[in-house]
Amino acid sequence: GAVVSQHPSWVICKSGTSVKIECRSLDFQATTMFWYRQFPKQSLMLMATSNEGSKATYEQGVEKDKFLINHASLTLSTLTVTSAHPEDSSFYICSANPGGGYEQYFGPGTRLTVT
Amino acid sequence: GENVEQHPSTLSVQEGDSAVIKCTYSDSASNYFPWYKQELGKGPQLIIDIRSNVGEKKDQRIAVTLNKTAKHFSLHITETQPEDSAVYFCAASLRNQFYFGTGTSLTVIP
Repeated sequence: GAVVSQHPSWVICKSGTSVKIECRSLDFQATTMFWYRQFPKQSLMLMATSNEGSKATYEQGVEKDKFLINHASLTLSTLTVTSAHPEDSSFYICSANPGGGYEQYFGPGTRLTVT
Repeated sequence: GENVEQHPSTLSVQEGDSAVIKCTYSDSASNYFPWYKQELGKGPQLIIDIRSNVGEKKDQRIAVTLNKTAKHFSLHITETQPEDSAVYFCAASLRNQFYFGTGTSLTVIP
C-alpha cells in the first residue's frame, strides 16, 4: 500500500517550453501533496504544498508563476514548469500524505533536463 | 523553521557490521521523525519512523531511537548487507512540514 507514481520518469525539453509532471496516489486519497526539488548529491528542498481544491502554498524563493501546481483531485497533483531554462534542470519528487497522520510517501521522481 | 543536521555524510562498513546515523533538530515542537532510504535515481522510501511520544522503535534489522530532551534521533542498522548501500535521509516534521537532513551515503563492503 501507499504507492505514489510520477509521470514522466524523465523528460528532456528545449529552453522556453513548458513541461507538466503528474503525481498520483494509487491506493489512497491524499489530502495534501508536496513537491520537492533535489540537486545531485543534495537533500530534498520543499518547493510547495498543495491541498486538494485550494491554492498551493509556495516556499520562500520559489516562483509560483513559474512552477504552477494544480491539485485537481484527491489522487492527482500536477507541477508545470513554465518557460523552462537550463537552470530548472533537476530531479523533481512529489510526496503524498494520506491524511490522519504525519507520513509522506514519495514518488519515484522525474528527471527534467532543459537544453 | 526547523534545522536538521545529519552525521556522518558518508559511512562505509563491512558486511555484517552495524551502521549508525545521527540527526539533531532544533525545534522542540517537531513531533514526527521519519527515515528514508534513497537509491540512485529513485525517490525516497520510508524505512522507519518514530513519533515524539516514543523513545525507540525496531523493525527487524532497523531501529530508531529518539531523545527529546537532547533533540536528537538515530538510525541503527544491524547485520548490514550490500543491498543496504544507499543514501539515507532523516527528517523532522514540524506543523506537518518535513525538514530533511543533508543525507548519509552508506556503503556496505562485501
